[in-house]
Amino acid sequence: DGGITQSPKYLFRKEGQNVTLSCEQNLNHDAMYWYRQDPGQGLRLIYYSQIVNDFQKGDIAEGYSVSREKKESFPLTVTSAQKNPTAFYLCASSIAGTSGGLNSYNEQFFGPGTRLTVL
Amino acid sequence: GQQLNQSPQSMFIQEGEDVSMNCTSSSIFNTWLWYKQEPGEGPVLLIALYKAGELTSNGRLTAQFGITRKDSFLNISASIPSDVGIYFCAGHLGFGGATNKLIFGTGTLLAVQP
Repeated sequence: DGGITQSPKYLFRKEGQNVTLSCEQNLNHDAMYWYRQDPGQGLRLIYYSQIVNDFQKGDIAEGYSVSREKKESFPLTVTSAQKNPTAFYLCASSIAGTSGGLNSYNEQFFGPGTRLTVL
Repeated sequence: GQQLNQSPQSMFIQEGEDVSMNCTSSSIFNTWLWYKQEPGEGPVLLIALYKAGELTSNGRLTAQFGITRKDSFLNISASIPSDVGIYFCAGHLGFGGATNKLIFGTGTLLAVQP
């Protein structure tokens, strides 16, 4: 089955610790994205990657870092510099990182999410 | 970052009722997407719209791409308890080579009373 997996489902961290959230996709999509969701709010973009070995900051990148060494993997590190890290984190992917091809390239598909709690 | 205006914020309805929600923007979009998110899960894509005026159905769900390209509507007919969740709209601004970043609405929480 093709899809996006995120692990772990629940993660607890002590203040001052870095933690890495995993995101893997086997859809052969070029682009991958990380979002943060807070209770009762919409999705805010943290980082995105249009192609392997390249990534850009989203709207709320401070305190986060990413890497894109493989097409299928886009891990997110929440660093101790992130002041309010407790949130639900969602990873997504799309066929391509830019428009200009089929309109369906705009469609993003989401993983099941990781709930991070800082103790 | 920019967010779309989505309304209503929440709806509490009886099973069997029809539901309508909408998203508006000050910007023109070339794609509108509608997602449903259940508690503790990731959003699931319901309907994708690519053309102004387009009307697309997915079972009991119908969505429309507004003529002005600045709004979109989602209707759910004959609601059932499993329709419960948060519904998000998302729009794509770019044309020809623009980054595939989506702008999301603030969500509509739907509760269905059996």
